Amino acid sequence: NAGVTQTPKFRVLKTGQSMTLLCAQDMNHEYMYWYRQDPGMGLRLIHYSVGEGTTAKGEVPDGYNVSRLKKQNFLLGLESAAPSQTSVYFCASSSPIREPYNEQFFGPGTRLTVL
Amino acid sequence: KNQVEQSPQSLIILEGKNCTLQCNYTVSPFSNLRWYKQDTGRGPVSLTIMTFSENTKSNGRYTATLDADTKQSSLHITASQLSDSASYICVVSAYSWGKLQFGAGTQVVVTP
Repeated sequence: NAGVTQTPKFRVLKTGQSMTLLCAQDMNHEYMYWYRQDPGMGLRLIHYSVGEGTTAKGEVPDGYNVSRLKKQNFLLGLESAAPSQTSVYFCASSSPIREPYNEQFFGPGTRLTVL
Repeated sequence: KNQVEQSPQSLIILEGKNCTLQCNYTVSPFSNLRWYKQDTGRGPVSLTIMTFSENTKSNGRYTATLDADTKQSSLHITASQLSDSASYICVVSAYSWGKLQFGAGTQVVVTP
């Protein structure tokens, strides 16, 4: 059981470049989330998905897009990267049906730097 | 303004000593409060989850308390170990399966 995995672990982009972060979970969880973590701030929700084929905006969605084509995968895209998107990105998954209080399980994170 | 405030921002303690971390929140309505441990370079891992009816919950050497009336929680670490060096994050949920509000965390460093 790998839990939640994220690729890549590190990435450096130039302003204006695009990229996709991949999140995969093998726990058959219905819900998946993308967060960003910046120094001195709590994790902030970017987008989330409550099921295959569905996505919704979180607290800080601007500049990001997501897709959930398969239940186990959740992709986060940056179409035109900006220095303000330099951050550590965490993916999480949960099952409101099976986990008490919809406990979220986090991946190891992706450290992204935009120059 | 963040609805979940943690203090102190950071602390250094000697191995074997105890410490207490604080969390104040304004999230309303309130469903549950969680404490997560985040090791450097890793994702957060849940330590405890408490609902409004629970005053205290333990997980090994970690004991969390909750006062829903004053909207305060604390995390007490007993007999600290070097492996306790991490960021401890307080997280509050307005609904049982709702979105989470994260504190900025308290960075704990345990020294030999």
